[in-house]
Amino acid sequence: GAGVSQSPSNKVTEKGKDVELRCDPISGHTALYWYRQSLGQGLEFLIYFQGNSAPDKSGLPSDRFSAERTGGSVSTLTIQRTQQEDSAVYLCASSLEDRVSNQPQHFGDGTRLSIL
Amino acid sequence: EDQVTQSPEALRLQEGESSSLNCSYTVSGLRGLFWYRQDPGKGPEFLFTLYSAGEEKEKERLKATLTKKESFLHITAPKPEDSATYLCALTNTGNQFYFGTGTSLTVIP
Repeated sequence: GAGVSQSPSNKVTEKGKDVELRCDPISGHTALYWYRQSLGQGLEFLIYFQGNSAPDKSGLPSDRFSAERTGGSVSTLTIQRTQQEDSAVYLCASSLEDRVSNQPQHFGDGTRLSIL
Repeated sequence: EDQVTQSPEALRLQEGESSSLNCSYTVSGLRGLFWYRQDPGKGPEFLFTLYSAGEEKEKERLKATLTKKESFLHITAPKPEDSATYLCALTNTGNQFYFGTGTSLTVIP
């Protein structure tokens, strides 16, 4: 079946511009996660959604980062006034049930963001 | 603070040369330990979940084991297509998720 889909796969933009990254989770998955992966670094947690609500936003690095999820499905991560340190691969994952259930997360292939 | 440490950072094996990857962890309360495989330019692909010490899971040439302090991913008679980065992750009783930085495995024909 279809996996987690992310778009765009690559994004190059100038410093100071806003960007939107999209994630389509696996159908029926209620939990959705955003992570950031920098070269040589582990995955950095950003935000967790259960349905349309975000009970854990603790990983968002600054108020320039925001995310929303609509219809319990598609999610958008928005970065405003991008900085060069925002350059990374942004990964989205979804899982069948809420975080308490300990279900494995299934990942998309990410959006590679480059800030010039 | 809970954390996950993977070793070695990189490993080169000859085809057929078995070895093990290590994932050491400190956690206030372990709920689950996960292994993932990540190919270049791709997202992590789920391999195994382990829940308690003594548990083992197998898939083809891979076997994951768990103790109270660490997990091992044993690779038996690896093939070049096993080359990838292997990631370890855990969830704690606070429902937080922690990833290690991975072991980059290269299997030489």
